[in-house]
Amino acid sequence: DQQVKQNSPSLSVQEGRISILNCDYTNSMFDYFLWYKKYPAEGPTFLISISSIKDKNEDGRFTVFLNKSAKHLSLHIVPSQPGDSAVYFCAASGSGGSNYKLTFGKGTLLTVNP
Amino acid sequence: DAGVTQSPTHLIKTRGQHVTLRCSPISGHKSVSWYQQVLGQGPQFIFQYYEKEERGRGNFPDRFSARQFPNYSSELNVNALLLGDSALYLCASSLTTDLNYGYTFGSGTRLTVV
Repeated sequence: DQQVKQNSPSLSVQEGRISILNCDYTNSMFDYFLWYKKYPAEGPTFLISISSIKDKNEDGRFTVFLNKSAKHLSLHIVPSQPGDSAVYFCAASGSGGSNYKLTFGKGTLLTVNP
Repeated sequence: DAGVTQSPTHLIKTRGQHVTLRCSPISGHKSVSWYQQVLGQGPQFIFQYYEKEERGRGNFPDRFSARQFPNYSSELNVNALLLGDSALYLCASSLTTDLNYGYTFGSGTRLTVV
């Protein structure tokens, strides 16, 4: 039973345009959400996070939106750059006693074309 | 500053053998977590250790074990290797057990079981 779902295995966008990566979750106990970027032969790198008490968090070109009622979050990258090409993972952690681990989605491969 | 270091980077083992993977956390980080990433999937939580004690365990068989040393480095041991244990094993370190302070991942150990 997959608690964090990234239903798009891949996404291709043109340089300079917006990239939107989506993530859905099923566990109501999740209260902290993170996005990681992963290049081949490297470990995941933290990008941006959001707490369930917020609906938006921005960091430079990256913005994460959280819709708790829909159990949906999205990562917007504007403008997209070729160096953003990587696998993006959505991850979630729970409150209280279950905030020690991350539950990851399967990832979305983003390709930004020059 | 050194990041999270894992050794070895690549490893080939035969079914039934035992393997030990090693991880050194970022200086000052007292928590180490282990994840398994099978091809095409997101990382899956195996263990978290904090101050040399196991603080969390994922849904993995008893063939998987780990420990943390006084210098906060950690070992992951897998006994009686199966073909399905072939994966990228990721180590992540954090200041505490609370993920709101973030994780830093190492580059991983690629284990191939033949």
